Amino acid sequence: GDSVTQMEGPVTLSEEAFLTINCTYTATGYPSLFWYVQYPGEGLQLLLKATKADDKGSNKGFEATYRKETTSFHLEKGSVQVSDSAVYFCALSDPRTGANSKLTFGKGITLSVRP
Amino acid sequence: NAGVTQTPKFQVLKTGQSMTLQCAQDMNHEYMSWYRQDPGMGLRLIHYSVGAGITDQGEVPNGYNVSRSTTEDFPLRLLSAAPSQTSVYFCASSYTGTGVSGELFFGEGSRLTVL
Repeated sequence: GDSVTQMEGPVTLSEEAFLTINCTYTATGYPSLFWYVQYPGEGLQLLLKATKADDKGSNKGFEATYRKETTSFHLEKGSVQVSDSAVYFCALSDPRTGANSKLTFGKGITLSVRP
Repeated sequence: NAGVTQTPKFQVLKTGQSMTLQCAQDMNHEYMSWYRQDPGMGLRLIHYSVGAGITDQGEVPNGYNVSRSTTEDFPLRLLSAAPSQTSVYFCASSYTGTGVSGELFFGEGSRLTVL
């Protein structure tokens, strides 16, 4: 079945450092790919998405490019802030299932940013 | 804007007790789902529904029941709670349909402890 693999965490960075969080996927179809973020004590919220190969999703300074050849969707940000401290989840949906919102999530990674 | 509302936010049960986690959304979303979040496991899909009267199993359905009598509500029932069901539960909803790539809107979560 479909699966998402995220790099092991946690990750601790200093403010203004460059961030990369790796995500790779396994799917038999052509999934849509997502990054969700969970701030402390809250539910998840969509950060960005890409629906086809070579698409780049971006939001709040974060970017991720859908790479079909490497089955990857790595999250990047050029300069992190303390307010970016959260748990980040990579996810995919397979439109073939008929339920476009049936998402498969990775295990998540905790990011802590020091002032 | 209420969005997705979950109740209760916290609950402690004894093994063998039953309870219902409530979920309501006011966005007229066809799709609703329940996930559980456990440390090191990410989010795992329990049950989902693509419309009133239609439900289906996710990755970890055992020990849980659902029903969808209205578009707005999607309760999750634990008939005989077990310590393995100690977790944080999230309800999420979305639009569905061709061209919709599945942005999920999450509730704030319900933390359940089974003793």
